[in-house]
Amino acid sequence: EPEVTQTPSHQVTQMGQEVILRCVPISNHLYFYWYRQILGQKVEFLVSFYNNEISEKSEIFDDQFSVERPDGSNFTLKIRSTKLEDSAMYFCASSEYGGTGLSYGYTFGSGTRLTVV
Amino acid sequence: GQQVMQIPQYQHVQEGEDFTTYCNSSTTLSNIQWYKQRPGGHPVFLIQLVKSGEVKKQKRLTFQFGEAKKNSSLHITATQTTDVGTYFCAEPTSGGYQKVTFGTGTKLQVIP
Repeated sequence: EPEVTQTPSHQVTQMGQEVILRCVPISNHLYFYWYRQILGQKVEFLVSFYNNEISEKSEIFDDQFSVERPDGSNFTLKIRSTKLEDSAMYFCASSEYGGTGLSYGYTFGSGTRLTVV
Repeated sequence: GQQVMQIPQYQHVQEGEDFTTYCNSSTTLSNIQWYKQRPGGHPVFLIQLVKSGEVKKQKRLTFQFGEAKKNSSLHITATQTTDVGTYFCAEPTSGGYQKVTFGTGTKLQVIP
């Protein structure tokens, strides 16, 4: 079963520091996503990425955040000047192109637990 | 923005009892997805419903899509301890299909 791989599984960082969360999506998937989940809460959309550019982003995804696909396999989320409230589980997901009006289920990675101290 | 409400928020059931979670949207949906998240785990895609009134089954799980395509339900028959987790419905964004918005989730606890 193909998997989405995320590293690291846990990251602790000082407030104000920059972190980069890494993801390797499933190789034949074309859409990539970042979601976050604050402990015990709902899964929140951050950004979607297709054809080497952001296709949609939420209001959470402000200038503090950026995404990149630096090569053919990795997909990264950078968080600058981390704040305490950025502490959450960050999930990467990928999906196949679904065609007009349809979408396919996402395959999620196991997540990176980010703790800002 | 999109609001996807799920009820109940929590449910404790005795092993062997049935369980149902309901998902309600403020808008008509093109499709709806269901995910399961085990404690400490990540969301895992279960199913997608597309047609009005559609009913799909996966073993003890029955998924329904409302006739008006504004609500959906997940019913588990004879729960087992392996069913423990949070069940999320997820709807595609209005006007597009490049993201889904997760519902508030229903956390299921099964008492052995």
